[in-house]
Amino acid sequence: DAGVIQSPRHEVTEMGQEVTLRCKPISGHNSLFWYRQTMMRGLELLIYFNNNVPIDDSGMPEDRFSAKMPNASFSTLKIQPSEPRDSAVYFCASREQGAFGELFFGEGSRLTVL
Amino acid sequence: KQEVTQIPAALSVPEGENLVLNCSFTDSAIYNLQWFRQDPGKGLTSLLLIQSSQREQTSGRLNASLDKSSGRSTLYIAASQPGDSATYLCAVVAMAGNQFYFGTGTSLTVIP
Repeated sequence: DAGVIQSPRHEVTEMGQEVTLRCKPISGHNSLFWYRQTMMRGLELLIYFNNNVPIDDSGMPEDRFSAKMPNASFSTLKIQPSEPRDSAVYFCASREQGAFGELFFGEGSRLTVL
Repeated sequence: KQEVTQIPAALSVPEGENLVLNCSFTDSAIYNLQWFRQDPGKGLTSLLLIQSSQREQTSGRLNASLDKSSGRSTLYIAASQPGDSATYLCAVVAMAGNQFYFGTGTSLTVIP
C-alpha cells in the first residue's frame, strides 16, 4: 500500500489567496483526520471523518477553514482567504474504522502564507 | 479533557546507551496508546500500538509498556544508534469522543 498521500508537499501563497490541500487515505480505512502542526502549538486536530461524514470539526480555527470528504478515497482542506498565521504543516492521517486501529500519517503539506 | 505529557522535552545520549522515554496521561479511560517517531520535515511514523488490555509491545530494539491505572507509558530503546535521533510522540485514544490526544514529544539526539 502506498500509505496516506498528501498534495501539495509545499505551498507558498500570498495572503488572501485560496489554498486547497488534498489527501488520499489508505484504502480500506474509514476514518480520516486533518491535523495542523506548528512549533508554538504542536499537533492540533482540526477535523475528523468517519465513513466520509464529519464527526468533530471543533478544532477548525474559523469559518475560513472548510473540509470535505466526497468519497472514501479523497478529502480536501480549504482555506479561504488565507492569512500569514495559517502558515504551518498540515497532516492528514487515516485508520481503520473503530477505536482500536493504528493511525497512519501522510508526509504533510507545508503551507507558507506571505 | 485528556492531557498527555512527555518529559523530558529533549534528551541527548551517547551511542549504545539504553534509554527510556516517558508519556503520562490524565484520564485512564482509553482504548489504546500509540508511539510515533517524527524526523525533521517528515510525517509521523507509527512505532508501536498498545491496546488498553495489553501491558507491552515490542518491535526490534523498541519496547513500549502501558500502565493504564497510573496513566503512564514508557518507550524503551535498547542500544541506541545515531539513526534513532528524532522526535518521539505518544498519543492516546480517549473513550470519550474517540479522539487522539498527542503529547508534545521528546526530541532525542544520539551522539556518535
